[in-house]
Amino acid sequence: SQTIHQWPATLVQPVGSPLSLECTVEGTSNPNLYWYRQAAGRGLQLLFYSVGIGQISSEVPQNLSASRPQDRQFILSSKKLLLSDSGFYLCAWGAGSNTEAFFGQGTRLTVV
Amino acid sequence: QKEVEQNSGPLSVPEGAIASLNCTYSDRGSQSFFWYRQYSGKSPELIMFIYSNGDKEDGRFTAQLNKASQYVSLLIRDSQPSDSATYLCTTDKLIFGTGTRLQVFP
Repeated sequence: SQTIHQWPATLVQPVGSPLSLECTVEGTSNPNLYWYRQAAGRGLQLLFYSVGIGQISSEVPQNLSASRPQDRQFILSSKKLLLSDSGFYLCAWGAGSNTEAFFGQGTRLTVV
Repeated sequence: QKEVEQNSGPLSVPEGAIASLNCTYSDRGSQSFFWYRQYSGKSPELIMFIYSNGDKEDGRFTAQLNKASQYVSLLIRDSQPSDSATYLCTTDKLIFGTGTRLQVFP
């Protein structure tokens, strides 16, 4: 069966520090991968999605970037965090177009 | 125009009642529609999907799709306090609405 791993679960970082969140998927090949952010009390905002290694699409211009160095690995990064980057970050995978997404457990990031 | 729109709620219903959650979408080309449930502080989990016009039932849940009117709804029968959560609607683009917060009171 497929599983998705996302870490860390919680993170507190100072303003201006770098960020690296990692997500890996097991039990499937060539998944679509997604990064979402959810601000407190708000909906899910799609940040990036990837349909293959090295292929990244950005939905919202911002202080973040994403990379997919391996088929089942998706990384969210920032060079310098802002207070507004605080939120609940969720990684998800899907088998292809017109299919559902399955979410990791999320990382709660607080920028102080 | 947002891809998917939902009333943020909260929607409050008594235990045992039917909860009706609604969602409209803008892309007429959308083929698949998904409902997720998200408990506070947790990640969303898929509860229903629907591809064809009409109703689809799964236990206490019924998803309804009307492509002509571009809306999809979720009915929860015999609502329980454990159903209290935020319900998120999305299309095959996986761009989510803001979600509707449901509160089921005893």
